Amino acid sequence: SYVLTQPPSVSVAPGQTARITCEGDNIDSKGVHWYQQKPGQAPVVVVYDDSVRPSGIPERFTGSNSGNTATLTISWAEAGDEADYYCQVWDGTSDDLSYVFGTGTKVTVL
Amino acid sequence: QITLKESGPALVKPTQTLTLTCTFSGFSLSTSGVSVGWIRQPPGKALEWLALIYWDDDKRYSPSLKNRLTITMGTSKNQVVLSMTNLDPVDTATYFCAHKAVVTPFDSWGQGTLVTVSS
Repeated sequence: SYVLTQPPSVSVAPGQTARITCEGDNIDSKGVHWYQQKPGQAPVVVVYDDSVRPSGIPERFTGSNSGNTATLTISWAEAGDEADYYCQVWDGTSDDLSYVFGTGTKVTVL
Repeated sequence: QITLKESGPALVKPTQTLTLTCTFSGFSLSTSGVSVGWIRQPPGKALEWLALIYWDDDKRYSPSLKNRLTITMGTSKNQVVLSMTNLDPVDTATYFCAHKAVVTPFDSWGQGTLVTVSS
């Protein structure tokens, strides 16, 4: 089965840039979605299809995907960006088609 | 506006079967390309996709859980039902249902329902 690996935690100072990676085999052949989840809440999409922002998501959130690593970048980090972030892909490479989530990254704004 | 809400028992005993219902509004599951999925999250852990049902009644399951899961459209046209057999304490989690269209992410989620498996 397809595995997506994220760093458990990322710390960033207010106003600085946080980068969250999502590693998977040839991940650049797949569309990567990123979700933000705050405590006690359901996940919210912040980037989809590698780099598209849904309406209402600040331009500070950008995504990229190359080789075996997709990256979510949060520029000018704010206290309100503190949350868990998950990447997700659709894996259709085997008979068992499935939707795969990453291991999750806790972002702390110090 | 799309809304989804999960309902079901908060406490289930080991070996029992869990049945959860997702009641939604703002879209129709008979519309081409639309699907509803179930995702769970054990306390303090990552999200895990469980199952998905498409507008045409095609169904997909997590390979690791497919022998225990059944997803169906409910008797009401705005409901999706997930059943999971042979519950174990490791199945304790918040269970979410979510809307998805073709080539989009899970773009609208319910609030989730916490299910505890304990004797």
